[in-house]
Amino acid sequence: QKEVEQDPGPLSVPEGAIVSLNCTYSNSAFQYFMWYRQYSRKGPELLMYTYSSGNKEDGRFTAQVDKSSKYISLFIRDSQPSDSATYLCAMSLITQGGSEKLVFGKGTKLTVNP
Amino acid sequence: DAGVTQSPTHLIKTRGQQVTLRCSPISGHKSVSWYQQVLGQGPQFIFQYYEKEERGRGNFPDRFSARQFPNYSSELNVNALLLGDSALYLCASRHSGTAKGYGYTFGSGTRLTVV
Repeated sequence: QKEVEQDPGPLSVPEGAIVSLNCTYSNSAFQYFMWYRQYSRKGPELLMYTYSSGNKEDGRFTAQVDKSSKYISLFIRDSQPSDSATYLCAMSLITQGGSEKLVFGKGTKLTVNP
Repeated sequence: DAGVTQSPTHLIKTRGQQVTLRCSPISGHKSVSWYQQVLGQGPQFIFQYYEKEERGRGNFPDRFSARQFPNYSSELNVNALLLGDSALYLCASRHSGTAKGYGYTFGSGTRLTVV
């Protein structure tokens, strides 16, 4: 079982739709949860960051974490064509040596059609 | 303010060759991490360096090595290239004072193709 599972899609929605993206994880040691957005030929950029169960909202984006179910979600309201990108969930893990690494899902490719 | 810069942008190498990829972090960032992103997959952790010392290593063979210089820039070296090493190699820098998991800024990566 992979540490982080994410449906790769692709996902295609009309402009204005609500988008729901999800990841599940198996490692209880994950403490910090992130969503990154990656445009073609670019590196990932941080979209949302949270460390506790519950919801966190930032503009049109809402991140949801359920630690008891090991499940995280990202909701995009009023989706725009400019939201078309690959969305990666990521989780922070502190290694035995005390360093930190990010563990990513496969990414979900989203297309928002005008 | 310049972001994380990586060079070269693209690279084509032959199996068995060696390659060196370079990363300049954001000014003031002392931590540099390297990730490998194979097409259709999420990035995978290779190394983390902080204050010129290796602080973490992912599940990669010894063909992969890295170092960090006094100005905090970093190089990733891969020896005896295999076809499976073809990927986007990402560098991320981070300020040491930020919260865990937060504040990683990624470069646009180096696209390595091994033929």
